[in-house]
Amino acid sequence: AQKVTQAQTEISVVEKEDVTLDCVYETRDTTYYLFWYKQPPSGELVFLIRRNSFDEQNEISGRYSWNFQKSTSSFNFTITASQVVDSAVYFCALSEATWGFNKFYFGSGTKLNVKP
Amino acid sequence: GAVVSQHPSWVICKSGTSVKIECRSLDFQATTMFWYRQFPKQSLMLMATSNEGSKATYEQGVEKDKFLINHASLTLSTLTVTSAHPEDSSFYICSAPGGSYGYTFGSGTRLTVV
Repeated sequence: AQKVTQAQTEISVVEKEDVTLDCVYETRDTTYYLFWYKQPPSGELVFLIRRNSFDEQNEISGRYSWNFQKSTSSFNFTITASQVVDSAVYFCALSEATWGFNKFYFGSGTKLNVKP
Repeated sequence: GAVVSQHPSWVICKSGTSVKIECRSLDFQATTMFWYRQFPKQSLMLMATSNEGSKATYEQGVEKDKFLINHASLTLSTLTVTSAHPEDSSFYICSAPGGSYGYTFGSGTRLTVV
């Protein structure tokens, strides 16, 4: 069965600190997608990244970077030089990539508080 | 890019009444729509999957008679919470396959039942 675990319920940092949000997943599928979403207090889900299971290259986008390691089934997210605007709940999610359209399995989310 | 328009953004209703939430794909056809529910400070859990022209598929534990889903066209899926009770107060969000990232989410509906 698919499962996504975000062990960090809440993290507080001071602005300009680096912070890493952990994500560990379980799946029996060999082909799948992993996602990170940001959910500000308004509730909408802001897409951050999608990675397929065959692409283990790490990615950097501005202050954001992602480390995908299939060997440990982890897909961690790092924010460098955090800012107050980064405060939100962040969700890691897994989607199957079998035929047809597939549902998401979300982790429980990590609430990030960035203090000025 | 692909947009899923979800309305209303928030709604307050009295216990025992019904509430309809709409998700409309604006520039693409959504033959499938996923409906998720998020209780306060919890994760998003899939409630049901709607398919245009056929019956919705509900996840285990979700009452299909209480959460009526209709997917009448390729661009519109609706979720009706019937005889709402305070425990139905939650954040409801829909998602359709499509768009640059594979799936496009609506902006969500915050339902409060008083």
